[in-house]
Amino acid sequence: NAGVTQTPKFQVLKTGQSMTLQCAQDMNHEYMSWYRQDPGMGLRLIHYSVGAGITDQGEVPNGYNVSRSTTEDFPLRLLSAAPSQTSVYFCASSPDRGPSYEQYFGPGTRLTVT
Amino acid sequence: AQSVAQPEDQVNVAEGNPLTVKCTYSVSGNPYLFWYVQYPNRGLQFLLKYITGDNLVKGSYGFEAEFNKSQTSFHLKKPSALVSDSALYFCAVRDMYNNNDMRFGAGTRLTVKP
Repeated sequence: NAGVTQTPKFQVLKTGQSMTLQCAQDMNHEYMSWYRQDPGMGLRLIHYSVGAGITDQGEVPNGYNVSRSTTEDFPLRLLSAAPSQTSVYFCASSPDRGPSYEQYFGPGTRLTVT
Repeated sequence: AQSVAQPEDQVNVAEGNPLTVKCTYSVSGNPYLFWYVQYPNRGLQFLLKYITGDNLVKGSYGFEAEFNKSQTSFHLKKPSALVSDSALYFCAVRDMYNNNDMRFGAGTRLTVKP
C-alpha cells in the first residue's frame, strides 16, 4: 500500500491564482481530512469528509473548497490564493469517523503565496 | 471545543536519560488522546493513543504515555532517550461529542544530545 499520497510536494503561487492540492489514499478509509501546519500553531483542521459525497468544514475553512467524489480522492482547492495561505498542508485519513481512530498522514505540500 | 496545550516549545535531554514531553487537555466528555511524531520534511506518524482502560499506554519505538484524569494530562515518556528520537512531537485530542475534529497542540521540539 502507498498509504496517503499528496501532490505536488512544493508549489509557489502568485496572489489571486487558484490551484488544487491532490490527496489520495489506497486503504479504503472512510474519513479524510485536510490540515494546515503553521509554526507555533500546530495543525489546524480545514475540511473533512466522512465518506464519498459528504464533506464539512473544520476550524479554518475560509478560502478553501473540497469535494469527495470517490472514497480514494479528496482534493483541496484554493479559490484565490492569499499570502496568509502560505503554509504546509497535510492530508490524512482514518478507517472510520469514530473518535478512537488514529489518522494516517501524507507527506505534505509546502505552499508559498507571493 | 476541545483543546490541547503543550507547555514546552523545546525539550533537551542527554542520550540515555529519561525524557518527558508534557500535554494537558480540555474536553467536554471522555477524551480520546493521541501522540504523533514528525521528522523533518515528513508527515506526522502515529505513536500511541489512549481510549479507555489502563492509564499507562505503550506505543511505538519504546514510547509510553500516562493518562491522568484528575490533572487532565497525557505526558509522553521514554525511559532512555536516543539521538534518533530528536523530532517534533504533537499531542492531539478528540472528544466523544465532536469526534470529527481532532485538535492538535502547538508541538514540542525534542532534541537528544549525544
